[in-house]
Amino acid sequence: AQRVTQPEKLLSVFKGAPVELKCNYSYSGSPELFWYVQYSRQRLQLLLRHISRESIKGFTADLNKGETSFHLKKPFAQEEDSAMYYCALRDNNNDMRFGAGTRLTVKP
Amino acid sequence: GAGVSQTPSNKVTEKGKYVELRCDPISGHTALYWYRQSLGQGPEFLIYFQGTGAADDSGLPNDRFFAVRPEGSVSTLKIQRTERGDSAVYLCASSRTGIGANVLTFGAGSRLTVL
Repeated sequence: AQRVTQPEKLLSVFKGAPVELKCNYSYSGSPELFWYVQYSRQRLQLLLRHISRESIKGFTADLNKGETSFHLKKPFAQEEDSAMYYCALRDNNNDMRFGAGTRLTVKP
Repeated sequence: GAGVSQTPSNKVTEKGKYVELRCDPISGHTALYWYRQSLGQGPEFLIYFQGTGAADDSGLPNDRFFAVRPEGSVSTLKIQRTERGDSAVYLCASSRTGIGANVLTFGAGSRLTVL
């Protein structure tokens, strides 16, 4: 079965500092990886997906199959980036499983 | 509708009672997912529907939990003989197939409190 691990429950950085939220996965097939975000008092929503290879709100994530990782990065964090971030994996049966989440706090 | 709608938004019940939670997905979305989220945890997978059928119900914790989607749109999650440990936010999400598939759109959740 697939598994998604986010080792940090909490991450705090200062505004303008780089940020990296870690995500590791285990899955024997070919996964599709996502990052979802939940801002305060809002619904869980898609941030980005690995197949799109896009930068959203300055965030990027690269799928590293050798290290089975999909870390989320942003070079200069902003206060509005403070939120809960969830890494998710879709398997070949279209099941979508989530990690436990990392709460990012960006301090002024 | 414009988004995924979940009702009720809040439900308080007593231990041992029966509860139904409803999810109205985005029109045309064939895939529908139920998750349970406890405080400080990520969404825990419960069940996934493709059309009317449950494609994967391996996340349902026990036989007190059951979900249906009889016409391939609205889904109901049913919990019998509720226990205090069932208290959580129950999230529903839907997605379409084809282009843009596998991107889940979430509802606001139904917060269940079992006293």
